[in-house]
Amino acid sequence: DAKTTQPNSMESNEEEPVHLPCNHSTISGTDYIHWYRQLPSQGPEYVIHGLTSNVNNRMASLAIAEDRKSSTLILHRATLRDAAVYYCILRLYSGGYQKVTFGTGTKLQVIP
Amino acid sequence: EPEVTQTPSHQVTQMGQEVILRCVPISNHLYFYWYRQILGQKVEFLVSFYNNEISEKSEIFDDQFSVERPDGSNFTLKIRSTKLEDSAMYFCASTRQGRDIQYFGAGTRLSVL
Repeated sequence: DAKTTQPNSMESNEEEPVHLPCNHSTISGTDYIHWYRQLPSQGPEYVIHGLTSNVNNRMASLAIAEDRKSSTLILHRATLRDAAVYYCILRLYSGGYQKVTFGTGTKLQVIP
Repeated sequence: EPEVTQTPSHQVTQMGQEVILRCVPISNHLYFYWYRQILGQKVEFLVSFYNNEISEKSEIFDDQFSVERPDGSNFTLKIRSTKLEDSAMYFCASTRQGRDIQYFGAGTRLSVL
């Protein structure tokens, strides 16, 4: 599986935007970029995913570099509830089931 | 919003005992998964299950582990003879189609004493 690299931790002030980076220089053309997050003492939760174009949903935005070797998850206004570990994951859509392979992620601390 | 439900939230057992962790996936989902997370470590894939059989299992999922979908709603993980190192959070997940996003339960904390 292609590997992703994320900073171990980041801090943000409450109500400010947060940009969480992810490098995936060995990404293949059929890999989708997924983001999940894990709030304290909870199971992982899907955030957003994309292939080539930038994506927006109610939780976040995903900005994908033109060469697809990096991406950025954008939380537009961080709240205390956004304090979590954020995982950037590459998933190959080849049909059938596919497991999610988690790395160590970025631990986001939100400061009131 | 539909959710994956796991019971119990915390299970304490003695080493060598059998445990069954239970999950109720989202009702129209077809693919089911178990993951575990040892305290302070990564979430690790254990097994995937589709059409009443195992699709893939990791090297962690040895002969002590088994999964079952005993009826149309439950999905269970059994550990036959628990070891101290089985202590972890166990997460169940499900998807409607295999390549869809996965929905995770809140987890069962297993403590083996």
